[in-house]
Amino acid sequence: SAVISQKPSRDICQRGTSLTIQCQVDSQVTMMFWYRQQPGQSLTLIATANQGSEATYESGFVIDKFPISRPNLTFSTLTVSNMSPEDSSIYLCSVRTSGRPTDTQYFGPGTRLTVL
Amino acid sequence: QQPVQSPQAVILREGEDAVINCSSSKALYSVHWYRQKHGEAPVFLMILLKGGEQKGHEKISASFNEKKQQSSLYLTASQLSYSGTYFCGTEIVGAAGNKLTFGGGTRVLVKP
Repeated sequence: SAVISQKPSRDICQRGTSLTIQCQVDSQVTMMFWYRQQPGQSLTLIATANQGSEATYESGFVIDKFPISRPNLTFSTLTVSNMSPEDSSIYLCSVRTSGRPTDTQYFGPGTRLTVL
Repeated sequence: QQPVQSPQAVILREGEDAVINCSSSKALYSVHWYRQKHGEAPVFLMILLKGGEQKGHEKISASFNEKKQQSSLYLTASQLSYSGTYFCGTEIVGAAGNKLTFGGGTRVLVKP
């Protein structure tokens, strides 16, 4: 398994500002992902954080709005830029660990963001 | 393509059984099941691989019907601790990036 920590755990931000969320894993992992979960909703994949290269974004998410960094195999950041109230959500870091016969995916505790 | 989960919600008495289904229109490589309690992160339960494998976790088991591209999660002799929202995450055959796409979730409430 993997132990994942995220900072901050929650924040209240003003419209138009940006917030950077950090994700730290206790072991090296091949794949890291960022998800968004709006209240009472499912988990929506924002992007795959690629180590050493640009993140791979899902349809509806763009780099200018959600820039992602992944400088090594245990750490990633997600920035929510120029925030609006619609960005209020829980943002979750997720990692996949190698295993047989397949990988297992785990989630961090999440960052609860409220935009006023 | 988001998998479809049914039912959307179920209320059980302690000790009763329930089945949650997860269906996809695409050929699946694997199905991952998670349980999320209010205010917490999703917790991994089990993985099903294509081939009709059945797995278990506590008194929770699951199956994968490759012909129907459907997985079912069985809650047997439910306990209060089984309450939460259950999500299936599917991995499509041939899709790049090992991405999981999640269903809409099934809310389970187990009452004493």
